[in-house]
Amino acid sequence: AQKITQTQPGMFVQEKEAVTLDCTYDTSDPSYGLFWYKQPSSGEMIFLIYQGSYDQQNATEGRYSLNFQKARKSANLVISASQLGDSAMYFCAMREGFSGYSTLTFGKGTMLLVSP
Amino acid sequence: NAGVTQTPKFQVLKTGQSMTLQCAQDMNHNSMYWYRQDPGMGLRLIYYSASEGTTDKGEVPNGYNVSRLNKREFSLRLESAAPSQTSVYFCASSPVGQGNGYTFGSGTRLTVV
Repeated sequence: AQKITQTQPGMFVQEKEAVTLDCTYDTSDPSYGLFWYKQPSSGEMIFLIYQGSYDQQNATEGRYSLNFQKARKSANLVISASQLGDSAMYFCAMREGFSGYSTLTFGKGTMLLVSP
Repeated sequence: NAGVTQTPKFQVLKTGQSMTLQCAQDMNHNSMYWYRQDPGMGLRLIYYSASEGTTDKGEVPNGYNVSRLNKREFSLRLESAAPSQTSVYFCASSPVGQGNGYTFGSGTRLTVV
């Protein structure tokens, strides 16, 4: 079974609108962390936001927020007020375990296109 | 600028040739990683080094070897390149701690013909 599932291969949104990118995860470990990365067409991987499994509140970083629903095992990324520069591939990833030496497992990504 | 430096950025190899991808980080991170990215597959872990002196296999290690030369450097070697190894390769590093994300290098685009 896939540990990280991103069911939307592509998403379209108009500039200034909000968009939600879906991510579900599978783990039996009570301690884990969830991450979102952005990959623009230039290719670099940019860290956006992190949510720990024990965090009580949803993480926010500027226009990015993470809608964390633990019981549903979902960690959706919400981008408010989309900008043209948000057009990119977005990856959800998970790190399991408490030791801190575990590795990141990535989903297959969602391509977001923002139109004027 | 602090970060992860990968070399080369582009490489074309013939089937059967060997090469080493270099990676260095100057953030004093303990852990380093090599991933490959293929269309529609996301990033898949090849090898990682949790700390200096240790290396472990990831999801797709076949056809690759790694060396953690010191705390800063982590190289990936293709002994006999195959067309199936055509991919974009990313090196990354992180400090210890579950909440720490990775810092990625800019990637190496490798084509094996």
